[in-house]
Amino acid sequence: AQSVTQLDSHVSVSEGTPVLLRCNYSSSYSPSLFWYVQHPNKGLQLLLKYTSAATLVKGINGFEAEFKKSETSFHLTKPSAHMSDAAEYFCVVRLMNTGFQKLVFGTGTRLLVSP
Amino acid sequence: KAGVTQTPRYLIKTRGQQVTLSCSPISGHRSVSWYQQTPGQGLQFLFEYFSETQRNKGNFPGRFSGRQFSNSRSEMNVSTLELGDSALYLCASSLGGPEDEQFFGPGTRLTVL
Repeated sequence: AQSVTQLDSHVSVSEGTPVLLRCNYSSSYSPSLFWYVQHPNKGLQLLLKYTSAATLVKGINGFEAEFKKSETSFHLTKPSAHMSDAAEYFCVVRLMNTGFQKLVFGTGTRLLVSP
Repeated sequence: KAGVTQTPRYLIKTRGQQVTLSCSPISGHRSVSWYQQTPGQGLQFLFEYFSETQRNKGNFPGRFSGRQFSNSRSEMNVSTLELGDSALYLCASSLGGPEDEQFFGPGTRLTVL
C-alpha cells in the first residue's frame, strides 16, 4: 500500500535560517508526491508536486523538494524561513493504478518560526 | 477564476441531528472530493464524485453520504451526528483526470455538542 510518513510533528526555526521538513514514502512503484501547506483556518494550498519529470522540484514561496528513490524520501526545504511560513505542512501521495483521484495525507508537520 | 467555495464556514449541531455541507467547485471542474480533518485522525478521504456519480469512497460509516448535481456542485450529508464527527470538512475540486491537481476550499468547521 502507498503511504507517507512525516518524521517530525513539530519543527522550530528562527527567521532567516533554513527549513527542513522530512517525509518518507512507501510505494511499490514510482509515486506522485506532493507537499501542501495549511495556514490557520484556511484550506490546503499546493506547494509543489513530483510526478517523475525531475527529481528536484521547485515550488511556490521559495520551497523545493528532492525525490530520492534510494532513500524513499521527499524532504521539503527552504533556504531562509520567513515568519509567514509558520503553518502546517502535509506530505501527500496520490494513489496510482486507479482511474480516479485519491490523496493519502501524512500526519502533518507544524512549522514554528521565531523572530 | 473563483476558487472552491464551501458553505457554511462554521456549524454547531447537537448529537443525533443531521447536517448538510455544500461545496461549489471551480468552474469547469467535474470532480469533487471530500476530506475530514481531525486532530486525532488527521486528513482522511471520504469520497469523490465525478459527473454526478460516486467514483471512490473511503472507510467511513454509511451515516456519511454525498451527492453531486449536474452543475458539479456537491453536498455532503452526515446523519445521526456523533461527538466524534466534530471536524474540519474540506472539499477539493479537479478536472477529474488521475493526474489533475486538486484545489481545496477553506473548509467547513463542524462542532457537535
